[in-house]
Amino acid sequence: QVQLVQSGAEVKLPGDSVKVSCKSSGYIFSAYYLHWVRQAPGQGPEWMGWINPKGGGAAYSEKFQGRVTMMTDTYSNTAYMEVTSLRSDDTAVYYCARSSVADRQKDAFDIWGQGTRVSVSS
Amino acid sequence: VLTQSPDFQSVTPKEKVTITCRASQNIGGSLHWYQQKPGQSPKLLIKYTAQSLSGVPSRFSGSGSGTDFTLTINSLEAEDAATYYCHQSSGFPYTFGQGTKLEIK
Repeated sequence: QVQLVQSGAEVKLPGDSVKVSCKSSGYIFSAYYLHWVRQAPGQGPEWMGWINPKGGGAAYSEKFQGRVTMMTDTYSNTAYMEVTSLRSDDTAVYYCARSSVADRQKDAFDIWGQGTRVSVSS
Repeated sequence: VLTQSPDFQSVTPKEKVTITCRASQNIGGSLHWYQQKPGQSPKLLIKYTAQSLSGVPSRFSGSGSGTDFTLTINSLEAEDAATYYCHQSSGFPYTFGQGTKLEIK
């Protein structure tokens, strides 16, 4: 079935970087935009950016510009997101999520990964 | 900015529930609704204001346009206890509401 499976939880120190993976299966990876969304404890989701697996183009929320890089590996059908210069307020569950319509970036997210908990603390 | 109301609601089974989402500017019909249970990923319930999705119970419906949107749950069931979020994909950056937590009495 269609699914996104993410890498495991991470514990980081302030200033560290983290790279989260999101492996897709059950659909044509290159056909759908992938988004990254984070959710801090007790908060609503926050959209971080999208990547187009077809070509690798990406767009980031201004809040994360310069600290976040999204990339894909079309051979392994896997997307990655790296966040640098981590701070304590980056502690959150990070999700990858798929656009519901092929080749559409402005869209609802119909498939979500299980989430990756990233904890940042000294 | 998306603002949901109420933030919290305690309801009884079989009751009808209405959750509203107000956008700070016109977003046309690009408004979607998700359900999230504790420890789980969000689940898409309704997309583009009123489009229902395969596998989502028919008691969930959406309406609205422009800046004011509504998620309605008819005949609430115990399994509907969750937090509900609206999400707009019209303007950059895409945003979510702060959530409405439903408690079943």
